[in-house]
Amino acid sequence: QVQLQESGPGLVKPSQTLSLTCTVSGGSLNSVDYYWTWIRQPAGKGLEWIGRIYTSGRANYNPSLKSRVTISIDTSKNQLFLKLSPVTAADTAVYYCARATINPSDKTGYEDYWGQGTLVTVSS
Amino acid sequence: QSVLTQPPSVSGAPGQRVTISCTGSSSNIGAGYDVHWYRHNPGTAPKLLIYGNNNRPSGVPDRFSGSKSGTSASLTVAGLQPEDEADYYCQSFDRILSATGVFGGGTKLTVL
Repeated sequence: QVQLQESGPGLVKPSQTLSLTCTVSGGSLNSVDYYWTWIRQPAGKGLEWIGRIYTSGRANYNPSLKSRVTISIDTSKNQLFLKLSPVTAADTAVYYCARATINPSDKTGYEDYWGQGTLVTVSS
Repeated sequence: QSVLTQPPSVSGAPGQRVTISCTGSSSNIGAGYDVHWYRHNPGTAPKLLIYGNNNRPSGVPDRFSGSKSGTSASLTVAGLQPEDEADYYCQSFDRILSATGVFGGGTKLTVL
């Protein structure tokens, strides 16, 4: 059973860097059948796709966040990482990491395993 | 403003059937990208309900079904149960947005 666990500071000051780690157990980040995604949900709002990273290290980002976000992966540690900088209050949200199975029909994917999420508040 | 449009809320009595729509455009659903559906209870991890327009993962009851036509998709929940009350999201990809993932705004399903 694949399990994902997000970790990182729950409070970040405006203009600083939000850094989160997702630790994966029960599965390998090395498989070419999957990619790994970060998704967030601001309070009272819907889900927002932040970006994804493949085993190769190739990443794609939501165009609205692209200039501020970096997703990376360490397959030896079975971890993926999210950095968002600089942050504002609008980045306050619950952040999820997820595994996406690659969809053979259109080469995109669907998130079949999710972490429980971690709340990050941006405030001074 | 979400790229995919869902009704903010739907409701139904126990045992009834409800359908949640997801409307996109020629750059996402209409471009041939599949649609996936998730259920989300606040404070918990979202759960995959339907993938590839109409496929259920193992363990998802056959009361849940999905379909896609043109630039829209829908999720149908039959035989409503109290535990079905949750937020439901559709997801696809958009080629104008560099083939990145997009979600609908979410639909709150209330079981009356």
